[in-house]
Amino acid sequence: DTAVSQTPKYLVTQMGNDKSIKCEQNLGHDTMYWYKQDSKKFLKIMFSYNNKELIINETVPNRFSPKSPDKAHLNLHINSLELGDSAVYFCASSQALTGYNSPLHFGNGTRLTVT
Amino acid sequence: KNEVEQSPQNLTAQEGEFITINCSYSVGISALHWLQQHPGGGIVSLFMLSSGKKKHGRLIATINIQEKHSSLHITASHPRDSAVYICAVPQAAGNKLTFGGGTRVLVKP
Repeated sequence: DTAVSQTPKYLVTQMGNDKSIKCEQNLGHDTMYWYKQDSKKFLKIMFSYNNKELIINETVPNRFSPKSPDKAHLNLHINSLELGDSAVYFCASSQALTGYNSPLHFGNGTRLTVT
Repeated sequence: KNEVEQSPQNLTAQEGEFITINCSYSVGISALHWLQQHPGGGIVSLFMLSSGKKKHGRLIATINIQEKHSSLHITASHPRDSAVYICAVPQAAGNKLTFGGGTRVLVKP
């Protein structure tokens, strides 16, 4: 069974469109995250939720809106996509509220290409 | 903010060689993470350590809290070890991790 699964794996879309990426974890973890990996391979936190509550909201455009219907799911919706949004987006989860107190479990990533 | 530097950025080794990757950070931490990103893109957590040394198979991670430095060693390297290795440390405040830029390792048969 996949511990953290995100879909789709690849997403190609045009500028201005709205798209969503879904993430689910079956580890029973309380905390979930969205990370963005840019072309230089740096990982940066975007959002973190603990038990459906938003904990971390980095300085990202408000076109990005996370939604956590329950603690096992954290979806990412992106409005009015721009070329600069092209990146790989990773979902992750951890047992504890803070990522540094427990290991992170990552999904396989979603490669978003905006044309 | 905790600054994280990894070295080297790229490393090529012959199969069987001993590999060392270094990670330095600027602010004292409670734990440091080592991650592995496969060529296919998936990220796996290798170690989380706060002191001393941890070993898993051919991988060994060490940390020196006083010197703010950690190393990841790969013994008897194998082509399947080819990946990007990333260290991450918590920021001084808040619940965020700062990631290093990664070390791209290529092990040739």
